[in-house]
Order: sequence, then structure tokens, then C-alpha cells
Amino acid sequence: AQTVTQSQPEMSVQEAETVTLSCTYDTSESDYYLFWYKQPPSRQMILVIRQEAYKQQNATENRFSVNFQKAAKSFSLKISDSQLGDAAMYFCAYRSASDMRFGAGTRLTVKP
Amino acid sequence: GAVVSQHPSWVICKSGTSVKIECRSLDFQATTMFWYRQFPKQSLMLMATSNEGSKATYEQGVEKDKFLINHASLTLSTLTVTSAHPEDSSFYICSASLAGVRYEQYFGPGTRLTVT
Repeated sequence: AQTVTQSQPEMSVQEAETVTLSCTYDTSESDYYLFWYKQPPSRQMILVIRQEAYKQQNATENRFSVNFQKAAKSFSLKISDSQLGDAAMYFCAYRSASDMRFGAGTRLTVKP
Repeated sequence: GAVVSQHPSWVICKSGTSVKIECRSLDFQATTMFWYRQFPKQSLMLMATSNEGSKATYEQGVEKDKFLINHASLTLSTLTVTSAHPEDSSFYICSASLAGVRYEQYFGPGTRLTVT
């Protein structure tokens, strides 16, 4: 089975600063997708950004961007100009035709 | 994005009874639905994947007879926890998607189950 590892249980960032959340994964499949989800205290899962494995270009969504290193099986999330509303649990996720896995999560705190 | 609802949002039941949780895709036809379990301060664990009209595919370690999943229509999937016990208390989340890996999953708001 594929594994997804988030090595940072907690991260903290000053408002307006930039923070990077790490994620690595292990797979032998060639066709898969990677995601970052945000889970605020309401516990509603919100898609932040997604990356198709076959695309070399890193995905970006406004203040959110990823650094996808396929050979290294790394998929980090960069949040620029952090806002108080970014405070939440962030989960890295892997999806293929045969599997759906989430990392353990990183709790992000944003300091005013 | 598409909207997925879950009902109830919170349920308390007595040990030994069964409880049903509904997951509905409100504005699209979901050929695939996923059921997850999330313990406090932990990640989501996939329990099963269901495709409309087919039997659900359960993850290893998930008891099929205890967690009954029905996906009878393109907009509704149900999870029934049978003979619930306190250790089944958890947060259950469903998500809905069109068939195919490339399609996004839309998550429901979750259901908190407490078994007393």
C-alpha cells in the first residue's frame, strides 16, 4: 500500500509571512494525483490544491503553491502571505485508481 | 464546487443498537462515494469505496458486517453501523466523486457518532 508521510505535526507562521508544509509519499504506481486539504475546526474538508503526477509544472492557486518533486516523491505546500484564516489542519493526500491515502496532518498556527 | 450533505451531523446511540448515516450529493451525480473515519486529532482513514449499483470495496481491517454500505442511487450512499459499541464512537466523513481518479472528491461535513 502507498504511504503518505507528513513529518511536521505542528507549524507556526507569522501573519503575512510564508510557510512550507512538507509531504513525502511512497508508491510504485505511475498514474496518481496528489492533494492538499485543509480542515478547519468545523472539520469540513476543503481542497486547497491538487497536482497530477504526469504534469511537471507545479500547481498554484493564488497564495498556495506546491513543489512537486516526482523522483524524490516529495510534495510540499507553500502558503504565501499567510492569513489568520489559514490556521487549520492540513492533510496531504494521495489518490490512484487503487488507493486513497492521507498523511497524518500538520496543524498550522498563524500568529497575528 | 459541488455540495455533499450528511445526516445526521451528530448522533448518540446506545450500545448494541444500529445507526444509519446518509451521504447525499446535492447537485451532481456521484458514481463513486468514499467513507472515512477520523479519530480525534488524527487523520482520515478510508473505510470503503462504493460505486453506484455495486457492492462496496472495504479496506483491510474494516468489518463488512459491522459497517454496511449501500450506494443505491447516484445521489445517495448510506453507512449503517450495526450493533454499535463505544469503540465505534468516531467522526465519520463521506465524500462523493465522479468515476475516475482524475475527478475531485467533494466532502460532506461529517457525522459525529457517540455510542454510550
